[in-house]
Amino acid sequence: NAGVMQNPRHLVRRRGQEARLRCSPVKGHSHVYWYRQLPEEGLKFMVYLQKENIIDESGMPKERFSAEFPKEGPSILRIQQVVRGDSAAYFCASSLRDRGLGGANVLTFGAGSRLTVL
Amino acid sequence: AQRVTQPEKLLSVFKGAPVELKCNYSYSGSPELFWYVQYSRQRLQLLLRHISRESIKGFTADLNKGETSFHLKKPFAQEEDSAMYYCALSSFTGGGNKLTFGTGTQLKVEL
Repeated sequence: NAGVMQNPRHLVRRRGQEARLRCSPVKGHSHVYWYRQLPEEGLKFMVYLQKENIIDESGMPKERFSAEFPKEGPSILRIQQVVRGDSAAYFCASSLRDRGLGGANVLTFGAGSRLTVL
Repeated sequence: AQRVTQPEKLLSVFKGAPVELKCNYSYSGSPELFWYVQYSRQRLQLLLRHISRESIKGFTADLNKGETSFHLKKPFAQEEDSAMYYCALSSFTGGGNKLTFGTGTQLKVEL
């Protein structure tokens, strides 16, 4: 079990370019979450997806950010026309389902993708 | 809206000393609380959850609804406990198992 795989681990972009971050969940997990960690801040929830559906995107900036989790392939977090303020670590997590008999399901985290915008 | 507060950015203790990492939360519903840990150069991983009422690596945490706290404790700190600790609250408003994290506390155990 390879766990949650994120790539690239490090991404450098110039202002105005696009950034694409990929996340392959744990095999068998159908729920994916994206979090952002800005310097000196905690992890901020961005979006929660199931296969082909966005369940909760309340943490996503209204513009330039989008996420998808297609039927086949990894989840993608896309940031268009990046700005310096987008520089952060982006973490993906997955879970089997959102809730089981034992309460809220545990999230398994990836190692993160660090985006640097020049 | 839910919120998790970890007042200490850094906590430094000597090996063998007791450890208490503070966590307070605000949430209108019935909370489910977790502690996640991130060791140096490793990914974030679950340490323990209040619903399990278990002790992991000597750490325990009790949910105190009256004080809205979920402090993490260990009677005797070990050097390998040095890491970043995050308190998190699970909420189901709007659907899904959304975790709200605190800003984290860096625990440094000195010899």
